[in-house]
Amino acid sequence: DSGVTQTPKHLITATGQRVTLRCSPRSGDLSVYWYQQSLDQGLQFLIHYYNGEERAKGNILERFSAQQFPDLHSELNLSSLELGDSALYFCASSPFRGTELTDTQYFGPGTRLTVL
Amino acid sequence: AQTVTQSQPEMSVQEAETVTLSCTYDTSESDYYLFWYKQPPSRQMILVIRQEAYKQQNATENRFSVNFQKAAKSFSLKISDSQLGDAAMYFCAYRRTLNNNDMRFGAGTRLTVKP
Repeated sequence: DSGVTQTPKHLITATGQRVTLRCSPRSGDLSVYWYQQSLDQGLQFLIHYYNGEERAKGNILERFSAQQFPDLHSELNLSSLELGDSALYFCASSPFRGTELTDTQYFGPGTRLTVL
Repeated sequence: AQTVTQSQPEMSVQEAETVTLSCTYDTSESDYYLFWYKQPPSRQMILVIRQEAYKQQNATENRFSVNFQKAAKSFSLKISDSQLGDAAMYFCAYRRTLNNNDMRFGAGTRLTVKP
């Protein structure tokens, strides 16, 4: 158990809908990262938040957005869902802002999103 | 841009034997980190081992060790005394240390362990 929690574990929805994925980082971790893993593929970086502020964006669609709240949990919002958005969405946390030498990311169990 | 390549989509090993998973990467940076993550059928991403580029000594974690060849930009994972529980997808990942915001992952190698 990495200490990172994600809810829900599974989510099934229809095209055009909007969903929210939630992530609680490890206690004390200030950075939260979101990744997308499509079927049998590697992880693609979506976005990074540090202590409530957006630090970087990766391959994140405009239909997707995220935020990190004062209690450090984070939400990833996916809207106007398409079939191709079906994937496993991982959240990872680390203690630092992403520039520290000892910074390692610890992953949550993921949320499996199925768009029908 | 940094890219990570895992040229072996699938590998298999006999229980108790040794197997090596390959990874190469492309970067113009001199300082960075490399990781191996394991993803079992549960889909959890589990950190196996990491290597700092400024360290010449290869990292070791119990039965897992790496062969880090900085000049060749190669980072292979050796699993000794393979166990059935080692069966999983293994992902190699790269992360810069300066102004870093994300990790770049390879496509993965599916490891099967035969009893």
